[in-house]
Amino acid sequence: GENVEQHPSTLSVQEGDSAVIKCTYSDSASNYFPWYKQELGKRPQLIIDIRSNVGEKKDQRIAVTLNKTAKHFSLHITETQPEDSAVYFCAASNPGGGADGLTFGKGTHLIIQP
Amino acid sequence: DAGVIQSPRHEVTEMGQEVTLRCKPISGHDYLFWYRQTMMRGLELLIYFNNNVPIDDSGMPEDRFSAKMPNASFSTLKIQPSEPRDSAVYFCASSFSTWGYTFGSGTRLTVV
Repeated sequence: GENVEQHPSTLSVQEGDSAVIKCTYSDSASNYFPWYKQELGKRPQLIIDIRSNVGEKKDQRIAVTLNKTAKHFSLHITETQPEDSAVYFCAASNPGGGADGLTFGKGTHLIIQP
Repeated sequence: DAGVIQSPRHEVTEMGQEVTLRCKPISGHDYLFWYRQTMMRGLELLIYFNNNVPIDDSGMPEDRFSAKMPNASFSTLKIQPSEPRDSAVYFCASSFSTWGYTFGSGTRLTVV
């Protein structure tokens, strides 16, 4: 089955700086890569996703890049703000290809220092 | 739409008791997923359904766990008998054609 590795486990950045979280996956058939944000005591919420036919996607201060050859993808947050503090999860799946369920990384605790 | 609705929000039970968690997916979604979240193991997929049919239950930890989806608007996850190591937050999520899950608020289960 799929295995998703995520790092770092904790990331502390100054407010206004950029944050980068990286993930690798093992199954070359995976073709869908979403990112979720989970605040303390809340549900995970989808913030951005990318499909394997695209190398990069951007939504305001958030961007995701995908390198299918190397089997890794990254989340980039620019101009970080206090409300960006949360745990971020990457995930991978192969919808319609027998692996519809998302396999999640272990999460990155992002701390924005004022 | 009220989103994915789970009940109860919190459940405290004694070891050996039966526990039933409930989920109402978003109307029109054809996939439903059950996940378990712990500090040690993160988010683990337990089982998922497509059009009410179980597709993959390989993540269900033991025979003590069972899940059903009798119709498109309701699913249950049952643990019988419950054990302290089952303590976790259980999330239900639904999606249309597996793109972009919406998670419920979760059920925090404590087995004492």
